[in-house]
Amino acid sequence: DVKVTQSSRYLVKRTGEKVFLECVQDMDHENMFWYRQDPGLGLRLIYFSYDVKMKEKGDIPEGYSVSREKKERFSLILESASTNQTSMYLCASRQGLAYTQYFGPGTRLTVL
Amino acid sequence: GDSVTQMEGPVTLSEEACLTINCTYTATGYPSLFWYVQYPGEGLQLLLKATKADDKGSNKGFEATYRKETTSFHLEKGSVQVSDSAVYFCALRGSGGGADGLTFGKGTHLIIQP
Repeated sequence: DVKVTQSSRYLVKRTGEKVFLECVQDMDHENMFWYRQDPGLGLRLIYFSYDVKMKEKGDIPEGYSVSREKKERFSLILESASTNQTSMYLCASRQGLAYTQYFGPGTRLTVL
Repeated sequence: GDSVTQMEGPVTLSEEACLTINCTYTATGYPSLFWYVQYPGEGLQLLLKATKADDKGSNKGFEATYRKETTSFHLEKGSVQVSDSAVYFCALRGSGGGADGLTFGKGTHLIIQP
C-alpha cells in the first residue's frame, strides 16, 4: 500500500513565525502536491512538484514556498505565518502519468 | 478553467436509505473523474474513478458513471450505513497532460442516522 505521511497532525504557531510542513511518501512517486482544505471551499492546490528540485505554482501559491531536495520528501514553507493561513494542509503523491493521487492524513495548522 | 460543482450539504439520511450525490463538471477535452471520501479526522481516500466516457467506477457499494453528454459523475449507493458518514469530494483531472493537480468540488457532508 502507498503510504503518505505528514510530520504533524496538529500544529499551533504564532503570526510571523516560519513554518515547515513535511511530507514523505514511500512509493517512489514522481509527482507530489500540497493542498489546503477550508470549509465551503474544498481543496485548493498550492504547489506541486513533478521531480526533485522542480516545482510549479498551483492555484493559490501566495505566501507559500516549497522544497523538494529528495524524491520522497516535499516540504511546504510558510515564510511568515499569518492568521489567514490557518487551515488543514494535505499532501498527496502520484506516480508519473497515472491518475490516482494518494493523500496523507493532513496537518491542521492554527496561526494565532 | 476546469471546475467541479457538487450538491451542498449536509445531507442527512436514515440507515438503508438510497443515496445520490450530484456532481457536474466543466472541462475541455476528456478529463478523468474521481470521488474521494474523507472520514472524520482523516485524509482523503480514493473511493472510485472513471477515465473515459460511459465508464462506471464502483467500490464499497458506491457507483458513479461518467456521463459526457451531461458532464456529470453522480455518486450513488443503494443502501447506506452509519459508517458511510463522511465528507465526499468529486474531482477531475484535466486531459492536458503534465503533473497538474486535481480540481475538487467543495465537498458534501453526508450524515447517516441509525
